[in-house]
Amino acid sequence: GEDVEQSLFLSVREGDSSVINCTYTDSSSTYLYWYKQEPGAGLQLLTYIFSNMDMKQDQRLTVLLNKKDKHLSLRIADTQTGDSAIYFCAESPRVGGYNKLIFGAGTRLAVHP
Amino acid sequence: NAGVTQTPKFQVLKTGQSMTLQCAQDMNHNSMYWYRQDPGMGLRLIYYSASEGTTDKGEVPNGYNVSRLNKREFSLRLESAAPSQTSVYFCASSDTSGRGNEQFFGPGTRLTVL
Repeated sequence: GEDVEQSLFLSVREGDSSVINCTYTDSSSTYLYWYKQEPGAGLQLLTYIFSNMDMKQDQRLTVLLNKKDKHLSLRIADTQTGDSAIYFCAESPRVGGYNKLIFGAGTRLAVHP
Repeated sequence: NAGVTQTPKFQVLKTGQSMTLQCAQDMNHNSMYWYRQDPGMGLRLIYYSASEGTTDKGEVPNGYNVSRLNKREFSLRLESAAPSQTSVYFCASSDTSGRGNEQFFGPGTRLTVL
């Protein structure tokens, strides 16, 4: 089956690192994604990782993928108040002619001074 | 480019009323999607259109219909609204040539059914 699970809430101090974890079930996903949703807005793609990679770094963001355990994590270095948002993990099983996205429930990141 | 636009931004309906949510994209994407977002549940796919002229059901299609009017526009219709359809609705579009098959989302329509 298809299911994505992530913790619902994370609170960190400004300047610290944040780590958001996710587990997924579909091993056929070509890509795994992290989307960010700011209050009152739609989702924006933050970063993604190709399923044959273990790690991807993009400025303050580091994505780690453990395919054996079907575990994905997002690390945000030097977390800022502007990083406060909901972060969604998503897997992407291919169905017919398109890449279906299965989202987790989202992790609300709160950054405090 | 405006990206993905949705109208209206907010709507309040009474049970049994009908309405159409509009979505348009100016990125020449082939695929378009409608999702609903409910608290603590992430986004769930209602319907999608892999290409112009085709539509298919997603996870939660009951109570909804869609029309892919042309390549740019994909509308979602509620024929007889129910309180269970109170939600935030997002339209998205994608193209396989994009980075990681990225889906681009509109700003959402917040719908309340009384």
